Amino acid sequence: GAGVSQSPSNKVTEKGKDVELRCDPISGHTALYWYRQSLGQGLEFLIYFQGNSAPDKSGLPSDRFSAERTGGSVSTLTIQRTQQEDSAVYLCATGLAGVDEQFFGPGTRLTVL
Amino acid sequence: AQSVTQLGSHVSVSEGALVLLRCNYSSSVPPYLFWYVQYPNQGLQLLLKYTSAATLVKGINGFEAEFKKSETSFHLTKPSAHMSDAAEYFCAVSSAGRRALTFGSGTRLQVQP
Repeated sequence: GAGVSQSPSNKVTEKGKDVELRCDPISGHTALYWYRQSLGQGLEFLIYFQGNSAPDKSGLPSDRFSAERTGGSVSTLTIQRTQQEDSAVYLCATGLAGVDEQFFGPGTRLTVL
Repeated sequence: AQSVTQLGSHVSVSEGALVLLRCNYSSSVPPYLFWYVQYPNQGLQLLLKYTSAATLVKGINGFEAEFKKSETSFHLTKPSAHMSDAAEYFCAVSSAGRRALTFGSGTRLQVQP
């Protein structure tokens, strides 16, 4: 399809395990964002990639969280040693450089038991 | 710094009645303002955006919003509610210096028959 896709759609893991969440952007979109949506915290920004620039990591809640974007396309968000408070829906959004509209994927629902 | 306040976590209207969802923002630089809608178990969809052009912005599904700098507001309206408008609505702000969206806490709209 033409939209942002995310995988898996649902992920259940045990506390202490590592997880990887994937985002496939809309073709040609150079900006890519990760957000987290949880009951207690609402929608929070995590990290932002723009082209080849250094990412804006100012929203990452701890050093257990990291993300990379390979070749300016697919992005992976990694959470190490997951905790129960990491349970949330992780949303990826992409957009064109210089244009502020962000297109959101359907999200990955992460449940940490 | 940027922030968004949405007054009313839940709003209930009758079908055919006016919809008014309130959003106030704080930004030290000229803001870009957005309204997103989220239907159950779906991602975020852009309704409309303000990026310093016309202050009255028309969006999809009959929604519109007016940017009022003096009131730091960007309230969302629709003249006549439809059952299909039932969803959660998020107001968000960004700027040229901070592309990542800062979201309000959301307003859940109920439409009664």
